[in-house]
Amino acid sequence: EPEVTQTPSHQVTQMGQEVILRCVPISNHLYFYWYRQILGQKVEFLVSFYNNEISEKSEIFDDQFSVERPDGSNFTLKIRSTKLEDSAMYFCASRDPGTGTNIQYFGAGTRLSVL
Amino acid sequence: QKEVEQDPGPLSVPEGAIVSLNCTYSNSAFQYFMWYRQYSRKGPELLMYTYSSGNKEDGRFTAQVDKSSKYISLFIRDSQPSDSATYLCAMNDNAGNNRKLIWGLGTSLAVNP
Repeated sequence: EPEVTQTPSHQVTQMGQEVILRCVPISNHLYFYWYRQILGQKVEFLVSFYNNEISEKSEIFDDQFSVERPDGSNFTLKIRSTKLEDSAMYFCASRDPGTGTNIQYFGAGTRLSVL
Repeated sequence: QKEVEQDPGPLSVPEGAIVSLNCTYSNSAFQYFMWYRQYSRKGPELLMYTYSSGNKEDGRFTAQVDKSSKYISLFIRDSQPSDSATYLCAMNDNAGNNRKLIWGLGTSLAVNP
């Protein structure tokens, strides 16, 4: 069964460093998303991406965040200068608009720890 | 008022019990309702998907949506220890194409053998 894969599973970084979180969405999906979940809090939408551009972003997704689809398979989230409060689980999701549903399929997540 | 409210629990039940999980929401534009299961430190896994009002059944799981009350439920029959997880409700509307999901906090469920 096709699945969304994310790497790494756990990333430890020092405050102020740049990190890149990687995702391989399901191959025939066209919408891609990043969400984050701070421990004990709700899953929060960060950004959606379609047709090689951002289609919507939340207030959380400020200038330190960027997304890219560098090739036909990968979808990345870059955090330029990490802060302690960026520590969270980051989930990538993808959706196939051709199904007529809103179902989003999620990866296992990357746990980001900022020290 | 928060967009989606969900009692975080924890909920502890004996094996074989019927479990009822619920969410309320405030945005009347929501039309798509999902239940995801999340094991510790893993990604959300889709369990049930419902459009608009009504019931949907899949094996031991039944999802109900009451749009007039802005209330959704997930029932688990004959609960098993393997059902122990956090259950998250998520929903969105039909506006635009982005369809970002709005989430509840999740209810932690423990099914005891």
